[in-house]
Amino acid sequence: EAAVTQSPRNKVTVTGGNVTLSCRQTNSHNYMYWYRQDTGHGLRLIHYSYGAGNLQIGDVPDGYKATRTTQEDFFLLLELASPSQTSLYFCASSDGDSDYTFGSGTRLLVI
Amino acid sequence: QQKVQQSPESLSVPEGGMASLNCTSSDRNFQYFWWYRQHSGEGPKALMSIFSDGDKKEGRFTAHLNKASLHVSLHIRDSQPSDSALYFCAASITGNTGKLIFGLGTTLQVQP
Repeated sequence: EAAVTQSPRNKVTVTGGNVTLSCRQTNSHNYMYWYRQDTGHGLRLIHYSYGAGNLQIGDVPDGYKATRTTQEDFFLLLELASPSQTSLYFCASSDGDSDYTFGSGTRLLVI
Repeated sequence: QQKVQQSPESLSVPEGGMASLNCTSSDRNFQYFWWYRQHSGEGPKALMSIFSDGDKKEGRFTAHLNKASLHVSLHIRDSQPSDSALYFCAASITGNTGKLIFGLGTTLQVQP
């Protein structure tokens, strides 16, 4: 079964801290995405990628960097974390012709 | 402005009842729609897609699309407590799911 695994499941960091969220998919999908989910805002696309080395800017990219190192691995980087980045983060993968497969999420708290 | 709008924000139906969820796009470029369901503590999971005008039925779930009005609905018959979840409508410009835009969601509560 297709799988998207995110780590860590929960993360607490201080304002100004450095955070990396990891995502690995075993679906052999070309597309991978990072979303954040906030009450009142739904799911918002941060960055996405069409393949290893490719990066596309999403709808809410400010304060985030991303890197797709392999077809399987997609990372989201917060280099100077702020309280406004406290959120639930989801990674997803897709082959482009079918539905997304989402991970279980990473809950990030910036204090 | 939210390009994909969902209503109602929340909905409560009795077990065995019919739940009806609505979604409208304000962008005529969005012609392809999906429904996702998210249970508490989990990631969203795809329920069904609909690309053509009319109805599409999958088990207890029926989606209806009217492209002229950019309106899509999801109807759940014989609702079960396990259907209690957050339901998202998502849309894209092409059938390729390269970039989906999600609505804010409808919270469905099915009362036993």
